[in-house]
Amino acid sequence: DQQVKQNSPSLSVQEGRISILNCDYTNSMFDYFLWYKKYPAEGPTFLISISSIKDKNEDGRFTVFLNKSAKHLSLHIVPSQPGDSAVYFCLGGNDKIIFGKGTRLHILP
Amino acid sequence: EPEVTQTPSHQVTQMGQEVILRCVPISNHLYFYWYRQILGQKVEFLVSFYNNEISEKSEIFDDQFSVERPDGSNFTLKIRSTKLEDSAMYFCASSPFPGQGDSNQPQHFGDGTRLSIL
Repeated sequence: DQQVKQNSPSLSVQEGRISILNCDYTNSMFDYFLWYKKYPAEGPTFLISISSIKDKNEDGRFTVFLNKSAKHLSLHIVPSQPGDSAVYFCLGGNDKIIFGKGTRLHILP
Repeated sequence: EPEVTQTPSHQVTQMGQEVILRCVPISNHLYFYWYRQILGQKVEFLVSFYNNEISEKSEIFDDQFSVERPDGSNFTLKIRSTKLEDSAMYFCASSPFPGQGDSNQPQHFGDGTRLSIL
């Protein structure tokens, strides 16, 4: 039951460039979407969220875009920094949150 | 910044034994959660807990699992008779409110307990 899909298991981006992480979902009942970041040996940490009634939310270097007709959301990180190297999870939520499988982002020097 | 803390960081247990994983949520939070991540797989929801009772649980959370808030600070996950397939990272999370419609009220996660069943 993959209600939230992250089809790219990994992504490598040059430092200073834009990182774009993608996520597709099948459950149109999600009220909100979130992105979490996870470093090895640590729990997921919240990055940014977006309500299903919006199409964009921005917080510093992080912007999330939601395309409801395509059931697609993306996280843009610009400029990418070495500390952004981590696994990024896309989550959909209503009563509970459903994790995607994650995308490992490598920021190259 | 307040944190969710989990102990122990690594628990090794013989198959068939009971194990209790402990969590101290953020003090003013009211909603508590357990998740697990089997190696190489995605993070899976187990259970949510509010007002001293389970509010929702997944298919994974069968009769071998139980949760408890024995005092005002701890939130525990008990596995009664562990199986090899229970080996995973277990994450505790807490939030002030249910769900996360408000970007200022996300679930806060602990760093996890790695459970290894031998």
